[in-house]
Formats: sequence, structure tokens, C-alpha cells
Amino acid sequence: GESVGLHLPTLSVQEGDNSIINCAYSNSASDYFIWYKQESGKGPQFIIDIRSNMDKRQGQRVTVLLNKTVKHLSLQIAATQPGDSAVYFCAVPLNAGNNRKLIWGLGTSLAVNP
Amino acid sequence: DVKVTQSSRYLVKRTGEKVFLECVQDMDHENMFWYRQDPGLGLRLIYFSYDVKMKEKGDIPEGYSVSREKKERFSLILESASTNQTSMYLCASSSLTTGGETQYFGPGTRLLVL
Repeated sequence: GESVGLHLPTLSVQEGDNSIINCAYSNSASDYFIWYKQESGKGPQFIIDIRSNMDKRQGQRVTVLLNKTVKHLSLQIAATQPGDSAVYFCAVPLNAGNNRKLIWGLGTSLAVNP
Repeated sequence: DVKVTQSSRYLVKRTGEKVFLECVQDMDHENMFWYRQDPGLGLRLIYFSYDVKMKEKGDIPEGYSVSREKKERFSLILESASTNQTSMYLCASSSLTTGGETQYFGPGTRLLVL
């Protein structure tokens, strides 16, 4: 079946450094990808998304890169701050064109050291 | 901003009790979802609904039922609570008109079954 995986369950960075969180997916037909942030005690919050017709998309201090050849995407956070400490999830629709169900990665816990 | 609210942040119930978890969204979204989140297992979909009175089973529907009598409200019911249903329960909604993939989450209900 479809799967979404992450390379590292935890990541620790120094405040001010850049963070890179990686995600791999199994379905080459996947056409949409979403990153969520979940702070302790809260529900996941949408950060940024990207469609398969793009390789890169930038937001405020965040960039998502998509490599369809190897079915890999990454979330880059520039100048990481203590407020970025959270669990980050990537999510992919179950089927291309099916906009209802998402397949979730297990999450990467980002710790920012002062 | 999309707002998804859940009736309780914390709930303690006894084994065998019938438990109702309520979720309300204020953005007229068609799709609503119930997940449970457990350490090391990520988000697992219990049930979802794409219209009033419509429901579909997710990945782990056993021991749960749902009700969607109004578009803005989606209820999760634990027919007879068991200790293995101790978990964080997350409700989400999404809209077909905006692509449908991006789900917006409530703050979660942490349920403890004794």
C-alpha cells in the first residue's frame, strides 16, 4: 500500500542554524504534498504545500523541495528559532486526484538548542 | 481563519462507558475526519465524512462509530470504552472547493480510560 516515511525521528539543531527535515513517499503518481507542524499539546498546523508540477516552494523562513525522481521531499527551516521546536509531519493524498484521505509520515521531532 | 473546536481537551472515563467526542468547524467544510494519535504510531484515521449523514471507515474503525447530522458537527462515539482507547483524538476538516487535501485540525482531546 501507499506509505510515507521519514529519515529521522528526531533532529536537534542550534538556534540560528538551518534545519532540514526529510520525507520519502512510495507512490510515483502522488501529485500533492503537505507539511504540518505540531507543537506540544496542540493539533497539527498546516505549514506549506507543494504540487508535483513544482520542484520548490518558499514560504516565510520555510522552503519545501520536491524530488520526484527519487520520491523525496524536504522541509528547510531557515534560522531556526526556539518556537520552531515541534514535531513535523509530511502528508500525501492516498491517491492522486483523491482529495479526501491523507497518508501521514510518523513525524520528526525538532529540538532547538539555545 | 479556519476554526475547528473539540468539546473537551481532557477526558477521563471508565472502562465500559459510552464516550462522545464532539467536533465543530466554522468554515462550511464538506469533509471531516477523526484521527487518533499515539506515540510511535503517528496519526491513524478512524472515520471520515464527506457529507452530512455520510461516513466512511478509516484504517482503525473497530470500537468506534461516528455521527454527522449537521455539516459543521462530527461526533466520535466510543460504544464501550476500553483501556486501549486511551489516546489523543484529533478532529480535522477540509474543503472540496479549495482542493480538499489540506486538513485543518482542532486542538485534540486527550482521553484516559481507566
